[in-house]
Amino acid sequence: NAGVTQTPKFQVLKTGQSMTLQCAQDMNHEYMSWYRQDPGMGLRLIHYSVGAGITDQGEVPNGYNVSRSTTEDFPLRLLSAAPSQTSVYFCASNPGAPNNEQFFGPGTRLTVL
Amino acid sequence: GENVEQHPSTLSVQEGDSAVIKCTYSDSASNYFPWYKQELGKGPQLIIDIRSNVGEKKDQRIAVTLNKTAKHFSLHITETQPEDSAVYFCAANDYKLSFGAGTTVTVRA
Repeated sequence: NAGVTQTPKFQVLKTGQSMTLQCAQDMNHEYMSWYRQDPGMGLRLIHYSVGAGITDQGEVPNGYNVSRSTTEDFPLRLLSAAPSQTSVYFCASNPGAPNNEQFFGPGTRLTVL
Repeated sequence: GENVEQHPSTLSVQEGDSAVIKCTYSDSASNYFPWYKQELGKGPQLIIDIRSNVGEKKDQRIAVTLNKTAKHFSLHITETQPEDSAVYFCAANDYKLSFGAGTTVTVRA
């Protein structure tokens, strides 16, 4: 098992550009999440999905879109990047409800100029 | 929603000494309290968790205690080793997981 994979590892964008952060898992987990990590603020939930076709907002959803067309994939879209979205992004998955171990990907470091 | 506070933000210990990290949470409905370890350049990894029906749990050199009345839980690492140097996050779950701000632990040789 590869676990949770994320691409790209690093990305630099200009303000206003769009991009998609990819996330995939091969553990057949129903629950997937996107977090952003900023210094001194821990991990903050952006969006999550409890299964294919079902997504919901987390703590900091503004400026981000998600979709879940398959169990394996959960891409995160930035429609118009802003410097405030400079962060490290982590995708996670777990089998069922949030009160189970979450498996994190290696992260994507995004810089918006 | 849930609010998790974590202290201290940084912790430096001598190799072989113990390290303690404390967290408080706000939502009495939370029933799951995991701890994650994040090494440099990697994603967080679960090291231990505790559920609300248990007061203490141990796994080798790591232990977690939970006081539901006071709404706080703690991570204890005994006989610290250089490989324990990392950032540690506590979290609490009501219907989704909320993380503390993290503690950077440095073990001095």
